[in-house]
Amino acid sequence: NAGVTQTPKFQVLKTGQSMTLQCAQDMNHEYMSWYRQDPGMGLRLIHYSVGAGITDQGEVPNGYNVSRSTTEDFPLRLLSAAPSQTSVYFCASKNSGTPPYEQYFGPGTRLTVT
Amino acid sequence: RKEVEQDPGPFNVPEGATVAFNCTYSNSASQSFFWYRQDCRKEPKLLMSVYSSGNEDGRFTAQLNRASQYISLLIRDSKLSDSATYLCAVGGNKLTFGTGTQLKVEL
Repeated sequence: NAGVTQTPKFQVLKTGQSMTLQCAQDMNHEYMSWYRQDPGMGLRLIHYSVGAGITDQGEVPNGYNVSRSTTEDFPLRLLSAAPSQTSVYFCASKNSGTPPYEQYFGPGTRLTVT
Repeated sequence: RKEVEQDPGPFNVPEGATVAFNCTYSNSASQSFFWYRQDCRKEPKLLMSVYSSGNEDGRFTAQLNRASQYISLLIRDSKLSDSATYLCAVGGNKLTFGTGTQLKVEL
């Protein structure tokens, strides 16, 4: 099992450009989520999905879109990049329900917006 | 008040020391509690789940105090390799993370 994979590892964008961060998992997890991590702010939830076709907003959704057409994939789209979106982005997945299940993280995408 | 709060540290301790971290949470309905370890510029990795009865894994002990709404992590006999940032995570299906506590173990 590859676990949770993310591409690209690094990306530099100019203000106003759009791009998609890819995330895939091969563990058949229902629940997938996107976080951004900034110094002193911890991990903040952007969007999450409890299954294919179902997505919802997290704490900081503005400027980002997601879709979940398959169980395996959960891409994050930046519509018009801004310098404030410079961050490290982590995708995560886990089983839903009880007992509480561990959340597995991908290796992250380091994004710089100039 | 933040949903999940941690002392950011850093905690600088000598090798062999015992160190304890606390994490407070505001949502009394929270059902899931975890400690994660994050090394510099890497993804968080699960260290321990935290159960009401407390649990131990080698040198690591985790406790949950529902009445006071906090979880704790105790590390005994600290090693240089324990240097990292420790994140607590609290919630149900959706987890909220603390900002992390940085630990530096020194010779």
